Amino acid sequence: QLVLTQSPSASASLGASVKLTCILSSGHSTYAVAWHQQQPGKGPRFLMKLHYDGSHTKGDGIPDRFSGSSSGAERYLIISRLHSEDEGDYYCQTWGTGIVLFGGGTKLTVL
Amino acid sequence: QVQLVQSGTEVKKTGTSVKVSCETSGGTFSSYTFGWVRQAPGQGLEWMGTITPILGTTNYAQNFQDRVTITADESTTTVYMELSSLRSEDTAIYFCATSRTRDVFDIWGQGTMVTVSS
Repeated sequence: QLVLTQSPSASASLGASVKLTCILSSGHSTYAVAWHQQQPGKGPRFLMKLHYDGSHTKGDGIPDRFSGSSSGAERYLIISRLHSEDEGDYYCQTWGTGIVLFGGGTKLTVL
Repeated sequence: QVQLVQSGTEVKKTGTSVKVSCETSGGTFSSYTFGWVRQAPGQGLEWMGTITPILGTTNYAQNFQDRVTITADESTTTVYMELSSLRSEDTAIYFCATSRTRDVFDIWGQGTMVTVSS
């Protein structure tokens, strides 16, 4: 069964870097995922599509501070030089035949 | 530049239906996939279903299979989501989103708040 697992929370200091993780369930390690950001009180925003080999395509206007990488069944969102506005929820998303799935989301706190 | 503009806030009684619209501007409407995603208060994102107008196909999440209908009107480049037999647990923000590559949702609407009460 296709499942995406995310840690519920993460924190990092202003100006530092953070790596958020999304884990694909067994048997689905080659799936691509998308990362979406949701700032407090706002709707989601597409950040990037991330492939199994770590290659990624970012959405329009997404800063260079946001990047992605992959290792096996794990898909990472890396945010460098953290800004206060990076605080919010981050969701990974994938898809199969006739199905779309979201991870539970990670709440990022910028200290 | 593709933009999605959704209809406004809805307040509904339990047992009734709600129909939310999502008007698209820019891009090639019929070739995209459109999806609906909802977010209950304090909760994560939950996929409800998708439609691809050019293929004439819809897919629904198992949780909503019997209650949701997603349609598209190419003449007005508008996508609709109708949810029936509303219950209080359906109180949520409903987002439409589009996938220009028919996989990731890469453009999101602003969201529509639906409140269901008795």
